[in-house]
Amino acid sequence: QKEVEQNSGPLSVPEGAIASLNCTYSDRGSQSFFWYRQYSGKSPELIMFIYSNGDKEDGRFTAQLNKASQYVSLLIRDSQPSDSATYLCAVEDYGQNFVFGPGTRLSVLP
Amino acid sequence: SAVISQKPSRDICQRGTSLTIQCQVDSQVTMMFWYRQQPGQSLTLIATANQGSEATYESGFVIDKFPISRPNLTFSTLTVSNMSPEDSSIYLCSVPGHDSGNTIYFGEGSWLTVV
Repeated sequence: QKEVEQNSGPLSVPEGAIASLNCTYSDRGSQSFFWYRQYSGKSPELIMFIYSNGDKEDGRFTAQLNKASQYVSLLIRDSQPSDSATYLCAVEDYGQNFVFGPGTRLSVLP
Repeated sequence: SAVISQKPSRDICQRGTSLTIQCQVDSQVTMMFWYRQQPGQSLTLIATANQGSEATYESGFVIDKFPISRPNLTFSTLTVSNMSPEDSSIYLCSVPGHDSGNTIYFGEGSWLTVV
C-alpha cells in the first residue's frame, strides 16, 4: 500500500515569511509529484507538479524534490493570509491514479 | 484545464436511500476519476471510469455500493447506494489535464450529509 505522509499542522507563519510544507512517500519508484491547495469548503486546486530532482519555481511557489530521500516539499515565499488553506501532497500511483497525503493546514497570520 | 461541473453541490440524505452524483466535463476525456473525502480526511480514489467499459474500483470500494456509469466521453455518474452516516463525505469528480504533466483537475465537489 503506497503511502504519502505530511505533518497535519496547523503550520502558522507570519505574513511575509516563507512557509515550508513537507511530504514523504513510501514508493521509491514514484515518478510524479503534485501539490494541491484546498480552501475550506472548496475542492482541491493544482498548484504545481514536479518530476525531476531539484527545484521548480512558479511565482511565489517552489517545489523541491529529492528522490533519494523520498521527499518533496513546497515553499511559499512572501506568505499572504490568502495562502491559508490545507495543502495536499499527491503522488501518482499508476495511470493518473493519485495517492494523496493527509494534508497540512497552513495559517498565515496578518 | 477543463471545466468540470458536478450536481448536486450539496445534499442531505436519509439513511438507506441512494443518491446519484453527476459530473459533466466541457471536453472529451478518456478517463474520469471519482474520489471521496471524508470529514477531516484526505482524498481516496473510489474508481476510474472509462467510456465503454466497466469502472475499475479501488480496494475497499465495490460496484454494488458505488455503481458508476460512463455513457460518453464528457459525462459520468456515481451513485452512493443504501447510504449510512459513514457515507457523509465530499465526492469529487476529476479528469486529466491537458497540460504537460500527468495532472488531474477536480470538479467543485458534492457535499453529502447522511442523517
